[in-house]
Amino acid sequence: NAGVMQNPRHLVRRRGQEARLRCSPMKGHSHVYWYRQLPEEGLKFMVYLQKENIIDESGMPKERFSAEFPKEGPSILRIQQVVRGDSAAYFCASSRLTGNDEKLFFGSGTQLSVL
Amino acid sequence: GENVEQHPSTLSVQEGDSAVIKCTYSDSASNYFPWYKQELGKRPQLIIDIRSNVGEKKDQRIAVTLNKTAKHFSLHITETQPEDSAVYFCAERDVWGRLYFGRGTQLTVWP
Repeated sequence: NAGVMQNPRHLVRRRGQEARLRCSPMKGHSHVYWYRQLPEEGLKFMVYLQKENIIDESGMPKERFSAEFPKEGPSILRIQQVVRGDSAAYFCASSRLTGNDEKLFFGSGTQLSVL
Repeated sequence: GENVEQHPSTLSVQEGDSAVIKCTYSDSASNYFPWYKQELGKRPQLIIDIRSNVGEKKDQRIAVTLNKTAKHFSLHITETQPEDSAVYFCAERDVWGRLYFGRGTQLTVWP
């Protein structure tokens, strides 16, 4: 049973380009969360999605950032017109979310570097 | 749900000693408190968790205690080993299912 899969592991973009980060949840998990981690800081909640639904995007910047979790395929975190301040590790996590079983499991992250 | 404070930010102990990391939270409705360990360049990994109807939980050398009245919970690692060296994050889950994390504790265990 593969864990949460994220790709790419490393992504380099120049300012103004677009970044697309992909996340496939664990098998049987229908809830996906995206977190951002800056160096020597904690994990900041960005967005919570279920299949075809954005449940909570209160942690997402209002502009340039969007996320989706389509019926088929991975969840995508999209950052348009990247700036240097977007450089960070972006982690995806998934859970089963049935009853009280809400253990969150993380992917290996995507390290985004904006030149 | 966003106010999780974690102390200390760094902790150095000698191998074999115990390590304690403490977190406080403000949302009285929070009901689930996991701890994650993150080694350099790797994913956060769940090491132990506790629910609000339990005061203490132990798993070998790791234990977590929860005081709901005071809104704080702690991670205890006994008989520390060099491989315990990592960054440890506490977290709380709010009623909407979101996890909010502390800023982390860099634990260094010296051989």
